[in-house]
Amino acid sequence: DAGITQSPRYKITETGRQVTLMCHQTWSHSYMFWYRQDLGHGLRLIYYSAAADITDKGEVPDGYVVSRSKTENFPLTLESATRSQTSVYFCASSEGVQGGYGYTFGSGTRLTVV
Amino acid sequence: AQSVSQHNHHVILSEAASLELGCNYSYGGTVNLFWYVQYPGQHLQLLLKYFSGDPLVKGIKGFEAEFIKSKFSFNLRKPSVQWSDTAEYFCAVKDGNNRLAFGKGNQVVVIP
Repeated sequence: DAGITQSPRYKITETGRQVTLMCHQTWSHSYMFWYRQDLGHGLRLIYYSAAADITDKGEVPDGYVVSRSKTENFPLTLESATRSQTSVYFCASSEGVQGGYGYTFGSGTRLTVV
Repeated sequence: AQSVSQHNHHVILSEAASLELGCNYSYGGTVNLFWYVQYPGQHLQLLLKYFSGDPLVKGIKGFEAEFIKSKFSFNLRKPSVQWSDTAEYFCAVKDGNNRLAFGKGNQVVVIP
C-alpha cells in the first residue's frame, strides 16, 4: 500500500530558481491538497484540487502554481523561489466531501531556499 | 471562512499525568472536526474525528474528544499520557468544499 508519496524529501535551492515538488497517490482519491507548515503558523493551505483539471487557491497561493492533469498526481511548482518559501510542504488526499472523510498526508518535503 | 484556535501551545507534563488540549472553532455550516498528531519528524496522522452522532469521540492510542456545540469546542483528552505521546497536536475543521483549516498546534512534551 504505497499511499501518498512526496518527492523529494529534502531540497535545497537558490533564490530565483524554479522548483517542483511532486505528489502521487495510489487510491484515486478525488481531492488533493498542498499545505505548508511553518513554526507558529501551523498548516496553511496553498492550493487544492477537487478532481483532475480542477484546482483552486487556498489561503497562501502567491508564488505557487499547481496542475492536475491526472487524478493521481498533483505537483506544486514554485515559479521563482524566495527565502520566505523555506518551509515543510505536505501533500494530502481525501476521498470526498462527506463528513467522515479525513485527509491522508504524505511524508512531506523540507524545502530550503538559500 | 472557518478558523480554529488552539490554546496553550506548549505543554510539558510527566508520564501518567492527564492531558487536555483546548480547541475552539468558528464555522457556520455543518461541523466536521478532526484531531491530528504529528510525531517528531513525521507526517500528520489522524487521531480521531467527529462528523455526527455521539459527541464523545474515541480515537486511537487512548485519546478522546468531546464536541460541545454550544461552546464551539472540540477538546482533546487522554487520562494518562506516556512518553511516546510527545508530539504536536493539531485541531482542524472542514468546510463544505472539503478544505481543512488547522489550528496552530499544541507542542506536547511528556517527561519520563
